Amino acid sequence: QVHLQESGPGLVKPSETLSLTCAVSGVSMSRYYWNWIRQAPGKTLEWIGYLSHSGNTNYNPSLKSRVTMSVDTSKNQVSLNLTSVTGADAAVYYCATWSGSTIEYWGPGTQVSVSS
Amino acid sequence: DVVMTQSPDSLALSLGERATINCRSSQDVLERFNNKNYLAWYQQKPGQPPKLLIYWASTRGSGVPDRFSGSGSGTDFTLTISNLQAEDEAIYYCQQYYETPLTFGGGTKLEIK
Repeated sequence: QVHLQESGPGLVKPSETLSLTCAVSGVSMSRYYWNWIRQAPGKTLEWIGYLSHSGNTNYNPSLKSRVTMSVDTSKNQVSLNLTSVTGADAAVYYCATWSGSTIEYWGPGTQVSVSS
Repeated sequence: DVVMTQSPDSLALSLGERATINCRSSQDVLERFNNKNYLAWYQQKPGQPPKLLIYWASTRGSGVPDRFSGSGSGTDFTLTISNLQAEDEAIYYCQQYYETPLTFGGGTKLEIK
């Protein structure tokens, strides 16, 4: 059974860097690409990007200058860094699988607030 | 970016009725070499992550009841939910994966009266 669990600080200060981790269990990291997707309160879903188990990445151009994703296959985890955060980055952040046709497995999401 | 536009924004229907949710993409998401539409539908309930319902525009995800069906091609797509049940109350999103960035529609909120 594929299980994803996001973790990270629930509160980040403006202009600082948001760092999140997604722990993956129940599946080999090579089976999927790994998405990060976010959802601001009352809004639709926004794709941040995905990466492969070998570290190949594809980022949303709207966030590309601020996003870094990485993978640690020894720990079965993927990470997201988002720099220079503002209030517009407050959202629930999801880690999810990507098969090329489906986003089938999602983590429960982690809420991130931005405030000084 | 491919813009996904859903309609209606919300609808309220009774148990047993049929719901029809529309999704239009700003460009064709049909790949002609394999004749596949790169379009998926998701269901999201409050406090939960989205759940995959339909991919390739009409293929049901694992364990999805056959009350849920997807249709359409090119730029116009429909999610139909027959014989509405109380547990179908949710927000429904379409998503294209024809190209990156992957993009989602604005969502349609379905209320069961």
